[in-house]
Amino acid sequence: GAVVSQHPSWVICKSGTSVKIECRSLDFQATTMFWYRQFPKQSLMLMATSNEGSKATYEQGVEKDKFLINHASLTLSTLTVTSAHPEDSSFYICSARPPLKGGLGSPLHFGNGTRLTVT
Amino acid sequence: GNSVTQMEGPVTLSEEAFLTINCTYTATGYPSLFWYVQYPGEGLQLLLKATKADDKGSNKGFEATYRKETTSFHLEKGSVQVSDSAVYFCALSYSFGNEKLTFGTGTRLTIIP
Repeated sequence: GAVVSQHPSWVICKSGTSVKIECRSLDFQATTMFWYRQFPKQSLMLMATSNEGSKATYEQGVEKDKFLINHASLTLSTLTVTSAHPEDSSFYICSARPPLKGGLGSPLHFGNGTRLTVT
Repeated sequence: GNSVTQMEGPVTLSEEAFLTINCTYTATGYPSLFWYVQYPGEGLQLLLKATKADDKGSNKGFEATYRKETTSFHLEKGSVQVSDSAVYFCALSYSFGNEKLTFGTGTRLTIIP
């Protein structure tokens, strides 16, 4: 079945540094990928929609200059947390949808998530 | 705005026990409702869904009925197994491709033999 791979699964970084998280669709091409964030004991929230070959679409309240998204190919989207601070510590998850088959919608496939801790 | 509230965990049950994980939502109109499951070390997977009132979603012995009158979508299973141990997320969506999901906080379920 369709697989979405996310890397790294966890990362610890110092305050002020940048961290890049990769999301790959392993056996299908995804023109659109989605990035979510979950703070401890809170809901998983959609951050942005990553569009291959064009700018990402950010949800209200998400700083696009802080969370840089690049979708350079049909199988890879990256999320870079720039100048990370402790309040950016969270669980980040990506998802992608395999192409439609026979006009039927296919479910979203999620990566395993990345636990980011900023010290 | 839209929101999803699900029972806080963790929930610990013995094998073969009856499971209910409550989920209620706040939304206008008629969203689609979902349950996602995340097994240890894996990504979120769609468990079941319902797209209109009174629909029942079912999969792997789990069921949930879309109740508009109570704005609920409770997850149930008659006899749980150790392999059901996971984190369960209730979610809703209005968008065409169901990408813009609004999730609950997740409920961690542990089944002991």
